[in-house]
Amino acid sequence: TQLLEQSPQFLSIQEGENLTVYCNSSSVFSSLQWYRQEPGEGPVLLVTVVTGGEVKKLKRLTFQFGDARKDSSLHITAAQPGDTGLYLCAGFDSGAGSYQLTFGKGTKLSVIP
Amino acid sequence: DTGVSQDPRHKITKRGQNVTFRCDPISEHNRLYWYRQTLGQGPEFLTYFQNEAQLEKSRLLSDRFSAERPKGSFSTLEIQRTEQGDSAMYLCASRATGGLNEKLFFGSGTQLSVL
Repeated sequence: TQLLEQSPQFLSIQEGENLTVYCNSSSVFSSLQWYRQEPGEGPVLLVTVVTGGEVKKLKRLTFQFGDARKDSSLHITAAQPGDTGLYLCAGFDSGAGSYQLTFGKGTKLSVIP
Repeated sequence: DTGVSQDPRHKITKRGQNVTFRCDPISEHNRLYWYRQTLGQGPEFLTYFQNEAQLEKSRLLSDRFSAERPKGSFSTLEIQRTEQGDSAMYLCASRATGGLNEKLFFGSGTQLSVL
């Protein structure tokens, strides 16, 4: 099973600050997905990145897929309390003949008003 | 799109009892996943169905766990002789036929507490 390491594990910032969270692996993924999860709920997909070097923007969120498709980052500009949650990266490895989507442990973000 | 539905939302049981959870995926989705998530961790894959066929099962999954999807629609996950270590959130997800880049839709989960 391929592993995805996320950092930092916890992040507490003031409203209006910028932040970046990272997702790294020693393995190549055919695609990486980012999810946000709120307490007591299931994860909700934010974005899928497929091509090495790809950058996608979703309002104040910018997602980047590494050139080698082994890592990804999520940058949030001017964080708001509504951004609070658990951010999870997840990847499919089509080459391994597996159907499973492997998740990292997540980054728990708290944005303080 | 009525979303993925899981029942019950919460389950408290005593050690040694059997429990069963149900998942109703989005109606046109033929692919269904079960995951387990403990506090401070990401979801851990348990098993995968394509229609009624169970195509993949985690090697870490104890023999006490069994899942079914008899008619290719809803699915059940049963845990026999529960242990305190089984306490977790059990998540179900579904997706439509398509590439591996396709979105997974998750239910709100069943929170299991084993006393």
